[in-house]
Amino acid sequence: EAGVTQSPTHLIKTRGQQVTLRCSPISGHTSVYWYQQALGLGLQFLLWYDEGEERNRGNFPPRFSGRQFPNYSSELNVNALELEDSALYLCASSLSWDRPNTEAFFGQGTRLTVV
Amino acid sequence: GEDVEQSLFLSVREGDSSVINCTYTDSSSTYLYWYKQEPGAGLQLLTYIFSNMDMKQDQRLTVLLNKKDKHLSLRIADTQTGDSAIYFCALRGGSQGNLIFGKGTKLSVKP
Repeated sequence: EAGVTQSPTHLIKTRGQQVTLRCSPISGHTSVYWYQQALGLGLQFLLWYDEGEERNRGNFPPRFSGRQFPNYSSELNVNALELEDSALYLCASSLSWDRPNTEAFFGQGTRLTVV
Repeated sequence: GEDVEQSLFLSVREGDSSVINCTYTDSSSTYLYWYKQEPGAGLQLLTYIFSNMDMKQDQRLTVLLNKKDKHLSLRIADTQTGDSAIYFCALRGGSQGNLIFGKGTKLSVKP
């Protein structure tokens, strides 16, 4: 069974540009989480989608946005890129929040470099 | 909001036991996890414990949960050089529902 897949694996963008990152959850998982891992800062929670709806949002500016599609895949969009957006962006998926077995599994991440 | 604290570094000798500690603030957390991240990679789920348990053992890994003190630990027996990685404690449940992570503990294993 395929795990969580993210694309692209690496990306270089120029300051001010926009970027879209993609995540496909494990089959049967309806929750998708996005995290930013910048150097030395641990994992910062960005967004959580479940059953197509945004359930929670971390302390990030509105230029970070996303959505979840009917097939439960998800996109993370970042507008007006800044140098400090350079980070590893990790996506995780799990069964729906109200199910008892709710381990979250992570993809390998997208390494975004803003120059 | 939820706060999860871990010490940043731990160094042990090969063959010794490693104990990585985590404290948290939200006592309503229902699921507690340990993840491992090797250099340049994503996060690998190692083990988890439900809040109604106080111990879980899985091969070389032992998770201890002290709900009264809001303290979670991961013990790795017979630590190997391949165990060198960053270990993250994570909580789920409580008021937010999504996973909240500590900053990670970098485990270095010396031969």
